[in-house]
Amino acid sequence: QLDLQESGPGLVKPSETLSLTCTVSGDSFKTTTYYWGWIRQPPGKGLEWIATISSSGSTYYNPSLRRRLTLSVDTSKSQFSVNLYSVTAADTAVYYCARENTVTSFDSWGLGILVTVSS
Amino acid sequence: AIQLTQSPSSLSASVGDRVTITCRTSQDIASALTWYQQIPGRPPKLLIYDAARLQSGVPSRFSGSGSGREFTLTISSLQPEDSATYYCQHFYGYPWTFGQGTAVEIK
Repeated sequence: QLDLQESGPGLVKPSETLSLTCTVSGDSFKTTTYYWGWIRQPPGKGLEWIATISSSGSTYYNPSLRRRLTLSVDTSKSQFSVNLYSVTAADTAVYYCARENTVTSFDSWGLGILVTVSS
Repeated sequence: AIQLTQSPSSLSASVGDRVTITCRTSQDIASALTWYQQIPGRPPKLLIYDAARLQSGVPSRFSGSGSGREFTLTISSLQPEDSATYYCQHFYGYPWTFGQGTAVEIK
């Protein structure tokens, strides 16, 4: 049974850094068939892919966010993380972590975490 | 980046109706298209991948078709639990992009 759970602060001040971690339970984290992604959804709006990382650390970024992003992975803890720098109110969203299957795309999702950017 | 345009943006249909949603892409993506269903307050759920392959556990009333630049998601007989927003996403190479969503309401 695969489970993904996002964790991190629900409130971030403008210009600061949004840091989230996804913890993956189950035995698929080190499997090369799977990559691990972040997707966000502003309130009442659609889905935006943020970035993806493999268990070996290869990264793929949304070009519109690339200069403000870093992703990392800790295979010993079955976790991957995202840092989004210099946030503004436009970064307020529900942030999802998801498993990216090389065949099907995002086949398992966390429940999401609402992050609000506000002073 | 590849742009995806869904139509309609929303629709209202009755239980038992056949519903079709279209996703058009800005370039040829072969069959590299995925469909998701999102119920309010829940994460998206994978329905269809590779344009026409049904994800395990998804009811057979859902089907997908298309290739190249035009794709459709069909619900053959709409059920009350199908009230949701549906998104397409291309899988043709990074960066991934999603359609803007189609909200399906039950009359």
